[in-house]
Amino acid sequence: AQKVTQAQTEISVVEKEDVTLDCVYETRDTTYYLFWYKQPPSGELVFLIRRNSFDEQNEISGRYSWNFQKSTSSFNFTITASQVVDSAVYFCALSVGYGQNFVFGPGTRLSVLP
Amino acid sequence: DTEVTQTPKHLVMGMTNKKSLKCEQHMGHRAMYWYKQKAKKPPELMFVYSYEKLSINESVPSRFSPECPNSSLLNLHLHALQPEDSALYLCASSLKVSGGTTDTQYFGPGTRLTVL
Repeated sequence: AQKVTQAQTEISVVEKEDVTLDCVYETRDTTYYLFWYKQPPSGELVFLIRRNSFDEQNEISGRYSWNFQKSTSSFNFTITASQVVDSAVYFCALSVGYGQNFVFGPGTRLSVLP
Repeated sequence: DTEVTQTPKHLVMGMTNKKSLKCEQHMGHRAMYWYKQKAKKPPELMFVYSYEKLSINESVPSRFSPECPNSSLLNLHLHALQPEDSALYLCASSLKVSGGTTDTQYFGPGTRLTVL
């Protein structure tokens, strides 16, 4: 069975602080994909990144960076110099094989205070 | 352009009403999805259509009836709903490349449904 854990239910930071959102996944499949989505109060899930199990390179996109470590089954997300607009719920998701069924983690609610 | 549109944005209905939710994409995607999301919970998959055919039904009650009239359009017909069906209903689409990868799903803004 597949499972995604996001241990941090809620995080509050002050603007300009760096913040890391944790994601730990479980699967016995060797082929899988990991995703991060952002859900602002408006409700739409916004795609942030996709990573497959064969690519452990970390990625940086502007203020966002992702650290994928197969050894610890983790795919953590860091926001550098956080801004109020980063306030949202962030979901980590897992898809195994080439399936269409995403397993979502419970989400982490991030509040960035001015 | 990665836009998925959904109408209406908000819907209030009684338990005896019949209503429909609509989802549209013009990205050439051939897989479309319905999710249900309760407050403070992650989205839960309801249905998946691949190439206009229903490929996954996650044991959803028959009062929810999906329809995919063409590759750009996805409907969810609602009938005799219960108050516990009140939720955010999200539509998503993905490219559905045949074999070899898992596609990214792109989501619409959702329809907030309230059942009285």
